[in-house]
This record gives sequence, C-alpha cells and structure tokens, in this order.
Amino acid sequence: EDKVVQSPLSLVVHEGDTVTLNCSYEVTNFRSLLWYKQEKKAPTFLFMLTSSGIEKKSGRLSSILDKKELSSILNITATQTGDSAIYLCAVDRYLNSGGSNYKLTFGKGTLLTVNP
Amino acid sequence: NAGVTQTPKFQVLKTGQSMTLQCAQDMNHNSMYWYRQDPGMGLRLIYYSASEGTTDKGEVPNGYNVSRLNKREFSLRLESAAPSQTSVYFCASSEELGGRVGYTFGSGTRLTVV
Repeated sequence: EDKVVQSPLSLVVHEGDTVTLNCSYEVTNFRSLLWYKQEKKAPTFLFMLTSSGIEKKSGRLSSILDKKELSSILNITATQTGDSAIYLCAVDRYLNSGGSNYKLTFGKGTLLTVNP
Repeated sequence: NAGVTQTPKFQVLKTGQSMTLQCAQDMNHNSMYWYRQDPGMGLRLIYYSASEGTTDKGEVPNGYNVSRLNKREFSLRLESAAPSQTSVYFCASSEELGGRVGYTFGSGTRLTVV
C-alpha cells in the first residue's frame, strides 16, 4: 500500500524564522513528488521533484528530493504571515507497467502558522 | 479561464438523501479524480478515471459511485448520504506532457450531512 508521511503535522513560528517541512514515502512505480500549498480552497502547485535530485527554488521556497532516503524537504526562509497554510506532499506514481496511467497519493499535510 | 469546474460549491444534505457532485474540465485531460479532504487527513482518493469509459476505486470508495460521462465530465454520486461523508470534495484532472504530469484541482465542494 502506498504511504506518504509528513512531519511535523503542525508548526507555529514567528515571522522571519526559517522552517523545514519533511515528507517521506513508500510507493511502487514512483514517478515524482509534488508539493502543494493550501489556504482556504484548492491546493496550489509549488514544486515537482523527480529522481534527478535537482533542487527546485522559487523565491524564499526551495525543495529537494533524496531518492536514496525516499524523502523530500520543503524549506521556507524568512517566513511571512502569508506563508500560513497547509503544505501538502503528494507522490505521483504509475498505475500500470505500461506507464500510461498514474495517480497522486497525499500525505496528511503540515499546518504552518506564522505569527507576526 | 480553462480549468476544472465543480458544482455545487456548498451543499447540506439530510442523512439518507442522495446527490451528485458534478465536475467538468476543459483542458482535454484523459485522467480525472475525486478526492475528499477531512481535517488533519490530507486528500484521500475516492475514485479515479484513467480515461473515458474507465473508472477504478481509490482508497475510500465505500458509499460512493462515479460516472465518467465523457472525456470532460466525471461525476460523484452519494446514494444514501451519511454524516461520515461530511467533507470537502475536490475533483482533479491530469495530463502528461513531455514526461511531466500536470494536475489541476477544482475549487472544491463543501458537503455537510446532518
């Protein structure tokens, strides 16, 4: 059974702090790992990581996949109150050996609260 | 704007009532999905449809049925709603382009069963 585990489940920090969110996974036919930010509505895409191990960056956010440890981290530096959200990790995998169909399995998410 | 459209946005049902959640995408994606999200549980897959004419169970299919009416539309039906089905439901679609998979989510349906 596919497993995606995120830690911590919740985190409270002050503006300006740096945070690291963790995601580990056990899936067959791994394809990629995705990070999403969810505020009030639908998840919005942040990063997609593959086994290439290349770090992705966007402003104060960065993420990398460790394919040996089957895990990923999401770093946010100089946090702002607008970073308060649920951060979801999801693993995308092939459903069949032909590789034409795939699905996402989500972790439970990390609730980040940034206080002024 | 192109994307995934879900209706309704909010719904309150009485226990035992039935309803259908509608989802449509205009991106010509092959795969579509229904997820539910409960507090502290992330998103859990209910059903998915890898292509028009096919549907398969996800992690939590009990109490639900789906129909992939055509390539655009994927509906989720609750035949006899139960309080345990109170949740936020998200529809999504995906397409592979050049080795990369893009997932697009609808804005969600907040369902309360009393």
